[in-house]
Amino acid sequence: GAVVSQHPSWVICKSGTSVKIECRSLDFQATTMFWYRQFPKQSLMLMATSNEGSKATYEQGVEKDKFLINHASLTLSTLTVTSAHPEDSSFYICSASADNYGYTFGSGTRLTVV
Amino acid sequence: AQTVTQSQPEMSVQEAETVTLSCTYDTSESDYYLFWYKQPPSRQMILVIRQEAYKQQNATENRFSVNFQKAAKSFSLKISDSQLGDAAMYFCAYASGTYKYIFGTGTRLKVLA
Repeated sequence: GAVVSQHPSWVICKSGTSVKIECRSLDFQATTMFWYRQFPKQSLMLMATSNEGSKATYEQGVEKDKFLINHASLTLSTLTVTSAHPEDSSFYICSASADNYGYTFGSGTRLTVV
Repeated sequence: AQTVTQSQPEMSVQEAETVTLSCTYDTSESDYYLFWYKQPPSRQMILVIRQEAYKQQNATENRFSVNFQKAAKSFSLKISDSQLGDAAMYFCAYASGTYKYIFGTGTRLKVLA
């Protein structure tokens, strides 16, 4: 079945630094990937749509300069949290679709900014 | 705008019994998809079942089935013969042509031994 790999699974960084999260479709090509954010005991909130070869589309209220998305190939999208602050601490999840059945999610990345 | 509502923050079921999780949604579109995802403590999102709006027949996947009432905009999940491994957060999700998911707030399912 379709597998989406997300790395790292958890990361701790210092306030003011940047951290990159990778999302890879391992056995299929994905022209579109999605990035979500999930706060503790809350639902998933869509942050942006990552399109291969073009600029990402951000949801209202998401700072595009803080959350940089690059979808340089059909199997890789990256989310870079720039100048991270403690309020950016959260669980970030990506998803991609191999077919029209539904989207497969990565295993998520727990980001802690100290 | 589309919305998804899960009115049950938490549900409990005895092992081997049946439980139904509720989900309602609002949309003005006629063509869309509905999903139930399971999120165990590992936080990995796992697709449980999917329903195409144009299909009148309710989807089933082994012990999981849905009751899709399009006119009422209701999409409930029934879990039969509940197992300890079914304990998790369950999210109802809506997606239209762009496949941008809109998630409900989730229902935490506890399975009692």
